Amino acid sequence: QVQLQESGPGLVKPSETLSLTCTVSGGLITTYYWSWIRQPPGKGLEWIGYIFHSGTTNYNPSLKSRVTISIDTSRNQFSLKLRSVTAADTALYYCARLKYDLLWGDFDSWGQGTLVTVSS
Amino acid sequence: FMLTQPRSVSESPGKTVTISCTRSNGSIDNNYVQWYQQRPGSAPTTVIYEDDQRPSGVPDRFSGSIDSSSNSASLIISGLKTEDEADYYCQSYETGVVFGGGTKLTVL
Repeated sequence: QVQLQESGPGLVKPSETLSLTCTVSGGLITTYYWSWIRQPPGKGLEWIGYIFHSGTTNYNPSLKSRVTISIDTSRNQFSLKLRSVTAADTALYYCARLKYDLLWGDFDSWGQGTLVTVSS
Repeated sequence: FMLTQPRSVSESPGKTVTISCTRSNGSIDNNYVQWYQQRPGSAPTTVIYEDDQRPSGVPDRFSGSIDSSSNSASLIISGLKTEDEADYYCQSYETGVVFGGGTKLTVL
């Protein structure tokens, strides 16, 4: 049973960079796609982007200019960097595993989520 | 494209409820539709994947369907229980992942 765990600062100042890491245990990161999803307080889910072990990435167009997702297969981890944050980036950030088999499937495993607040 | 869901639905225990998810442009058949249940304080979990498939452990009271004529997907929950009260999100894919805005299901 694969497990995902987010880690990183819970408070980031405006204009700075939000950095989070997701550690994958119980399975290899060299299969599946790996994604970041966020949820502002009281609002819906927003997909941020995904990465494959090869380094192939795809980002939400609305965030693409500020986002970088990277992967470290030796540590079974993938990471999120979101630059120039504002209060609108305050959210619960989830990492999740995305299935792909000829067509895109579901996010079948999720981390518990980590709350990041943007405030001075 | 966008996926549009009703903001809220409510129904009584034992009844059947249908939550719709309408795709704004492009065919609903282009990619699979998934449905997630999110209870307060918890991460989402899949209740339907690949349009109409149920993960192990999800009761057969949950079912999914696709309607090409209305370009929409539906989540149907029969025999409603109070434990089904949650937020439900549809999700699909085109050039990237798209989530619906979510539907709050109240079982009263």
